Amino acid sequence: QLQLRESGPGLVKPSETLSLSCTLSGGSITSTPFYWGWIRQPPGKGLEWIGTVHYTGRTYKNASLKSRVTISVDTSKNQFSLKLSSVTAADTALYYCATQNFDTAPRFDPWGQGTLVTVSS
Amino acid sequence: SSELTQDPAVSVALGQTVRITCQGDGLRSYYASWYQQKPGQAPLLVLYAENSRPSGIPDRFSGSNSGNTASLTITGAQAEDEADYYCQSRDISGNHVVFGGGTKLTVL
Repeated sequence: QLQLRESGPGLVKPSETLSLSCTLSGGSITSTPFYWGWIRQPPGKGLEWIGTVHYTGRTYKNASLKSRVTISVDTSKNQFSLKLSSVTAADTALYYCATQNFDTAPRFDPWGQGTLVTVSS
Repeated sequence: SSELTQDPAVSVALGQTVRITCQGDGLRSYYASWYQQKPGQAPLLVLYAENSRPSGIPDRFSGSNSGNTASLTITGAQAEDEADYYCQSRDISGNHVVFGGGTKLTVL
């Protein structure tokens, strides 16, 4: 059964770059028809899609974050990563990675447990 | 519009039926998926496509679609169904994912 786990620093200083990784177990990141997504949730608020990557490197990004987001895949590590540059307090959130189907019934399943990232000096 | 609109809060009496709706232009082309999120937990997919449930999701959860509106129906709501529910789909361009703002379901 596919499982995902986020990892990375829990505290990032303003203006710096947030870096997270998502490691897969129980399956391969090159499996079709899957894509791999990042979603975040500020404390007490709703879900926001950040972006999605395919193992070929093709990416899709939220237009509101696009200029600051880099998503990449490392097939050798069965892992995909998120970098968010120039962070502010507004980027404080629970960050989730998830397996994504990107067909006419787009969905995320399963999700990682999430990792809290706080932006503070 | 690339947004999905949900009612912020809905309540239902224990054992009764409740419908949670989601509106958006993208729903004319793409199905909605629905997630249940309980406090301190990651979202859980409960419904996708026209009316498909992942393994382990009770059959009291069902879905429907009409025009630009998708609905999640819980028939015979249980106390454990109290949670936040989010719809999700693709925007009208097809290249982006969108989430609804979420509906807080209270089971009375």
